[in-house]
Amino acid sequence: NAGVTQTPKFRVLKTGQSMTLLCAQDMNHEYMYWYRQDPGMGLRLIHYSVGEGTTAKGEVPDGYNVSRLKKQNFLLGLESAAPSQTSVYFCASSRLGSREFFGPGTRLTVL
Amino acid sequence: KQEVTQIPAALSVPEGENLVLNCSFTDSAIYNLQWFRQDPGKGLTSLLLIQSSQREQTSGRLNASLDKSSGRSTLYIAASQPGDSATYLCAVRYLEIQGAQKLVFGQGTRLTINP
Repeated sequence: NAGVTQTPKFRVLKTGQSMTLLCAQDMNHEYMYWYRQDPGMGLRLIHYSVGEGTTAKGEVPDGYNVSRLKKQNFLLGLESAAPSQTSVYFCASSRLGSREFFGPGTRLTVL
Repeated sequence: KQEVTQIPAALSVPEGENLVLNCSFTDSAIYNLQWFRQDPGKGLTSLLLIQSSQREQTSGRLNASLDKSSGRSTLYIAASQPGDSATYLCAVRYLEIQGAQKLVFGQGTRLTINP
């Protein structure tokens, strides 16, 4: 099992550009999450999904959109990147009430 | 507001010592609590999960305890080794409406074990 994978691992964007981060899990988990991790701010939830075709806002959703068309994939989109979105992005998945499994992260820099 | 606090922010101890990391949370209506490990530049690995009805969980040299009434959890590491050096994060899960889960993280404790 690959667990949770994220692509890409690194990305540099210019302000205003768009991109999509892909998360894939092979554990048949219902729940999937996108977090961002910033120094001094800890991990903050951006969006999450409780099942295929459903998404919901987390703590810091502004500037991001998500889609979960297939159970195993959770996409995070930035339509118009801003320097404030420079961060490390983590995807995670779990079953209800069970441990979260995290991906290795995507380091994004917006210039 | 649901907040999770970890003290200390950083800890440095010599190899072989037993140590305790602390986590406190403001809302005691938790579903469960997890302790994670994060190595530099890596993702998080779940070490232990304690359900709200449990008092402790053990895995090898790690023991986590939970006191819901006082809003506290501790992670005990026995016979520390240099390979234990990492950042340890506490995360509390709350259940919300429509089956949503909310995981609230502490800021972490950066642990260094000196050979």
